[in-house]
Amino acid sequence: QVQLVQSGAEVKKPGSSVKVSCKASGGTFSSYAISWVRQAPGQGLEWMGGIIPIFGTANYAQKFQGRVTITADESTSTAYMELSSLRSEDTAVYYCAGGGGYCGGDCYFYYFEYWGQGTLVTVSS
Amino acid sequence: EIVLTQSPDFQSVTPKEKVTITCRASQSIGSSLHWYQQKPDQSPKLLIKYASQSFSGVPSRFSGSGSGTDFTLTINSLEAEDAATYYCHQSSSLPLTFGQGTKVEIK
Repeated sequence: QVQLVQSGAEVKKPGSSVKVSCKASGGTFSSYAISWVRQAPGQGLEWMGGIIPIFGTANYAQKFQGRVTITADESTSTAYMELSSLRSEDTAVYYCAGGGGYCGGDCYFYYFEYWGQGTLVTVSS
Repeated sequence: EIVLTQSPDFQSVTPKEKVTITCRASQSIGSSLHWYQQKPDQSPKLLIKYASQSFSGVPSRFSGSGSGTDFTLTINSLEAEDAATYYCHQSSSLPLTFGQGTKVEIK
């Protein structure tokens, strides 16, 4: 059974950056597609982007393009999401979510079987 | 971007009642539609994959149907533990998108 364990809560100043980690155990990390999904307080789920480590290429939602970087370290089975130029609207719980996927020209992400516990990022001056 | 619209936004239901939540896609997505349940202060959990396939360990009272643009999540004989927000999600094309959620409250 795959488990995704995320790093702890963060408090950041506007304009700064945050990097959240997601460590996987119990499965073959490199073959999973790891996505980052955020949820603002009282709001719904929003896909930010994802990566399939075995293919290496990250895909991003246009809304976050240029501000988010998603990477994966196969040696430690850990995925990372870094969000820069933080503003108050970025205050949210950030989840990593894992499932199947593949890249063949374009990349395809399937359903999310596994979810991390969430990381609260608070952006406040 | 594919927009998913759920209805209703909120539903208050008596235990043992049947619940039906619909999800409409802005363009055809085949069967690439999945359903999640999220309880307060918890991570979402997968209920149904590819429109109608039950995920492992999910109670049989949860079922899904539909294809193309119109999908339905049905909860037969609602139980108190089913109080949650339910989201649909499409994996047909990037960016992946979610419906706005349907909150189910127990009367």
